Amino acid sequence: NAGVTQTPKFRVLKTGQSMTLLCAQDMNHEYMYWYRQDPGMGLRLIHYSVGEGTTAKGEVPDGYNVSRLKKQNFLLGLESAAPSQTSVYFCASRISGRAGKDTQYFGPGTRLTVL
Amino acid sequence: AQTVTQSQPEMSVQEAETVTLSCTYDTSESNYYLFWYKQPPSRQMILVIRQEAYKQQNATENRFSVNFQKAAKSFSLKISDSQLGDTAMYFCALIGQGGSEKLVFGKGTKLTVNP
Repeated sequence: NAGVTQTPKFRVLKTGQSMTLLCAQDMNHEYMYWYRQDPGMGLRLIHYSVGEGTTAKGEVPDGYNVSRLKKQNFLLGLESAAPSQTSVYFCASRISGRAGKDTQYFGPGTRLTVL
Repeated sequence: AQTVTQSQPEMSVQEAETVTLSCTYDTSESNYYLFWYKQPPSRQMILVIRQEAYKQQNATENRFSVNFQKAAKSFSLKISDSQLGDTAMYFCALIGQGGSEKLVFGKGTKLTVNP
């Protein structure tokens, strides 16, 4: 049982390049999330998904796209990376319903640098 | 809007002593969850303790306990018998039991445990 995994762990991009971050969970969770963490800040929600085939915007969605084609995977895409997107990205998941709000399981994070 | 405020950017404590981290919040929801997360240098987000606002009894987890003052909208974390492994960033977070999926984080408190 690996929990929540993220690929890659580190990445350096040049401005304008594109990339996709992969989040995978093996807990059969319905809900999945992408957050970013910047220095001196807590985590901020980018996008989330309440089930396979669904996505919704969070607090800071601009410049990112997401897809949830399979229940266990949640992809975060950057079409044209900008230096402002330099950050640490965390994926999380939880079971559905209000009861599941008491626990989110976090992945180990991806450190992205955009030059 | 929901907000979480951690007024202590940095704190330090001697090994084996007790330290209290402060957190205040604001929400219009009648029921919600409050959390303390620990983020060591490894970057992993680790749930330390959670409290459901509906429950008046303060949560405890081994050496970690909270002082939940609902009327004052205060949620402080007490760490007893501090250990070197407690050195980390600590984040206070809140999620409402309503329809929003937004887990709101404070900016964090950097705790250093000195030998």
